[in-house]
Amino acid sequence: SAVISQKPSRDICQRGTSLTIQCQVDSQVTMMFWYRQQPGQSLTLIATANQGSEATYESGFVIDKFPISRPNLTFSTLTVSNMSPEDSSIYLCSAGRQETQYFGPGTRLLVL
Amino acid sequence: KQEVTQIPAALSVPEGENLVLNCSFTDSAIYNLQWFRQDPGKGLTSLLLIQSSQREQTSGRLNASLDKSSGRSTLYIAASQPGDSATYLCAVSDDKIIFGKGTRLHILP
Repeated sequence: SAVISQKPSRDICQRGTSLTIQCQVDSQVTMMFWYRQQPGQSLTLIATANQGSEATYESGFVIDKFPISRPNLTFSTLTVSNMSPEDSSIYLCSAGRQETQYFGPGTRLLVL
Repeated sequence: KQEVTQIPAALSVPEGENLVLNCSFTDSAIYNLQWFRQDPGKGLTSLLLIQSSQREQTSGRLNASLDKSSGRSTLYIAASQPGDSATYLCAVSDDKIIFGKGTRLHILP
């Protein structure tokens, strides 16, 4: 198993600003992922964070809006850029293998 | 395209009752199915994971079953307690993890 921590746990941001969310894993993992859970909706995969290369984005998500870094096997960041109220969601990081993932506690974001 | 549906969307039951949450999926070619618990404003806690070759898993008062051929899973909670109140998410894994929208469970004291 793996223990995942995220920072910040929550934030309130102004429209037009950007927020970077950090995800730390307590052991080296092959894969890391970022999810979004909009109010009342199921979790949706944003992208797979690849170590040392560009992230792989799912349909509907682009690098300009959600730049992702993964400098090593235990750490990743997700930036939510030029935020609007529609970006208000819980953002979750997960790690592990594609078919078995461990989830972080999430970051609750409110954009005013 | 894999779709996961959970019924009911919300459920309220008196404390002590046994209950069943349902999950269905459209494509039976999955690696596994997981049930998660999500408390308000929190991340996910994995409850049970059933591999595609398995039919059920048990942990304490929880029992999850998997019928791949019919594309269904159930989460059975025995002797429910107020602390069981949460949203329960079902997720299937093929080349990615696909989540249902969850069932909001409220146990009435």
